[in-house]
Amino acid sequence: KQEVTQIPAALSVPEGENLVLNCSFTDSAIYNLQWFRQDPGKGLTSLLLIQSSQREQTSGRLNASLDKSSGRSTLYIAASQPGDSATYLCAADTGRRALTFGSGTRLQVQP
Amino acid sequence: NAGVTQTPKFRVLKTGQSMTLLCAQDMNHEYMYWYRQDPGMGLRLIHYSVGEGTTAKGEVPDGYNVSRLKKQNFLLGLESAAPSQTSVYFCASSTSTDTQYFGPGTRLTVL
Repeated sequence: KQEVTQIPAALSVPEGENLVLNCSFTDSAIYNLQWFRQDPGKGLTSLLLIQSSQREQTSGRLNASLDKSSGRSTLYIAASQPGDSATYLCAADTGRRALTFGSGTRLQVQP
Repeated sequence: NAGVTQTPKFRVLKTGQSMTLLCAQDMNHEYMYWYRQDPGMGLRLIHYSVGEGTTAKGEVPDGYNVSRLKKQNFLLGLESAAPSQTSVYFCASSTSTDTQYFGPGTRLTVL
């Protein structure tokens, strides 16, 4: 059974810092790894999707990497802004098109 | 496009009552999903569907039933609600290769 873990559970940084969020998964036989953002009381918004054959994906100030052999993915946020404050969730797709989620990292960017 | 919509947004039930949550998508997606999210946890898959007329169990299916009579709709039913089903319920849809698009959620409280 796939298990996804995110560390840290919460993170507070001053505005402008670069930061890394970590995600680990137990079953390396994944089809893709996805990162989502969740604002309080809202649904999830997709940020990046990395296919199993890829090593990284970039979108603006966000860069996600994938290392299947070690069961790890990281989300790098450059030059953080207060608007980046949210909970970030990673999820592994093990082939049924249904995702296994981590419990998230709650990010607070201080102005 | 409205994307993924969920009805209702909030609901309070008494133990033993029944209800149906409605999810609708206007993106012509084949795949639809129901997740639940409990405080401090990631999302857990309840049931999913890979096409009209098909459904499958996810990680936590007990106490729930689903139906996909039309491609654009996915219904989640609780036949006899229990306090353990107090949660936020999210619906999502996707193609066979793309990321999942989430609805805004339904907050359910069972007293």
